[in-house]
Amino acid sequence: DTGVSQNPRHKITKRGQNVTFRCDPISEHNRLYWYRQTLGQGPEFLTYFQNEAQLEKSRLLSDRFSAERPKGSFSTLEIQRTEQGDSAMYLCASSSRSGGGFEQYFGPGTRLTVT
Amino acid sequence: AQTVTQSQPEMSVQEAETVTLSCTYDTSENNYYLFWYKQPPSRQMILVIRQEAYKQQNATENRFSVNFQKAAKSFSLKISDSQLGDTAMYFCAFMKGPNTGNQFYFGTGTSLTVIP
Repeated sequence: DTGVSQNPRHKITKRGQNVTFRCDPISEHNRLYWYRQTLGQGPEFLTYFQNEAQLEKSRLLSDRFSAERPKGSFSTLEIQRTEQGDSAMYLCASSSRSGGGFEQYFGPGTRLTVT
Repeated sequence: AQTVTQSQPEMSVQEAETVTLSCTYDTSENNYYLFWYKQPPSRQMILVIRQEAYKQQNATENRFSVNFQKAAKSFSLKISDSQLGDTAMYFCAFMKGPNTGNQFYFGTGTSLTVIP
């Protein structure tokens, strides 16, 4: 078990470009979450998958954002036509109901800078 | 909507001393879970401790313990025998009951510095 991994760790892009981030959860975890964290703030929920099904989406997730988890394993988060306000740390987390713990295990994040 | 408030943006403590971080939350739920996460500088968030709302006994994990006051909607974290490695941002998080998607609601964090 190597924990939750995210790639890339850093991304610098120009306004208007599209970006895609990848998250690999802990292998036996069926739940996967995306959060956004800006400087000085706590993480804010974006979306949640149980297996391959996207079950919840925050209103923060505008139509420029899309997330997928095609085979219930890794997930991708795509931002189209990036804006400077999209600059943030994007965190992925995974969890499992086994054991009833519900705690989420976080990856190191992808820091996006939009210039 | 659930809200989580951490009213102490920054705190410091001398090494080996005890410090308490505050967290309050607002919810109409009766069944929920509370967590403290630690985010060291430039490193990922790790779980410190969790508390189930239906349990009256306060959770303890080694040097970390909580004071959970359900009626007051308060969930403070006590760190005993503070160590330099405890320097980090600490986030309080709330999660509704297990059949509601499990999204976390986070506070704005408390930056803790342990002074040698």
